[in-house]
Amino acid sequence: QKEVEQNSGPLSVPEGAIASLNCTYSDRGSQSFFWYRQYSGKSPELIMSIYSNGDKEDGRFTAQLNKASQYVSLLIRDSQPSDSATYLCAVKFSGGYNKLIFGAGTRLAVHP
Amino acid sequence: DAGITQSPRYKITETGRQVTLMCHQTWSHSYMFWYRQDLGHGLRLIYYSAAADITDKGEVPDGYVVSRSKTENFPLTLESATRSQTSVYFCASSEVGRQGAWEQYFGPGTRLTVT
Repeated sequence: QKEVEQNSGPLSVPEGAIASLNCTYSDRGSQSFFWYRQYSGKSPELIMSIYSNGDKEDGRFTAQLNKASQYVSLLIRDSQPSDSATYLCAVKFSGGYNKLIFGAGTRLAVHP
Repeated sequence: DAGITQSPRYKITETGRQVTLMCHQTWSHSYMFWYRQDLGHGLRLIYYSAAADITDKGEVPDGYVVSRSKTENFPLTLESATRSQTSVYFCASSEVGRQGAWEQYFGPGTRLTVT
């Protein structure tokens, strides 16, 4: 069973704080991991992809991958109210499964 | 650069009617996907296509039909719509062949209501 697990939230953080979003996945052989942001009533938007263990930074976003623990996270520094959205974790599983499995998403609320 | 578009954006139909949702992408991506998104279920894959004339079932294919005669188009047909197919439908596309493969890019979605 191919599974991607996320805490549904809501995760509430004050403006300017660091928001930490977490995701675990079931397939140890997975190689590709993605974070999508989805505003209410809109389509998912790709914000980060990560393929190697460690950290990958892009502006205020940092993706962290630990394949041994089957864990991927997204950190948002200096959170802004405009970051309030649902964040979807997606994993490409191994074994020729040419699709992404999405987690159910974590709702983030950044309050002023 | 239009990217990926879907039409219609909103549709109301009656139970038993056939309805087709359109998806068009301008990137010449090989892979295209149809998802539905419902509260409590997240994104669920309906069908996907690896290339023109190559399609395969996803997680929830029953009641849906797809075709892909051209690389850029991937229509989704509900043969006889049911209320349980009321949902938001997203089309996505992806390319292969480099590390960035499997980054999927989504269209704006179609909100379908079956009465």
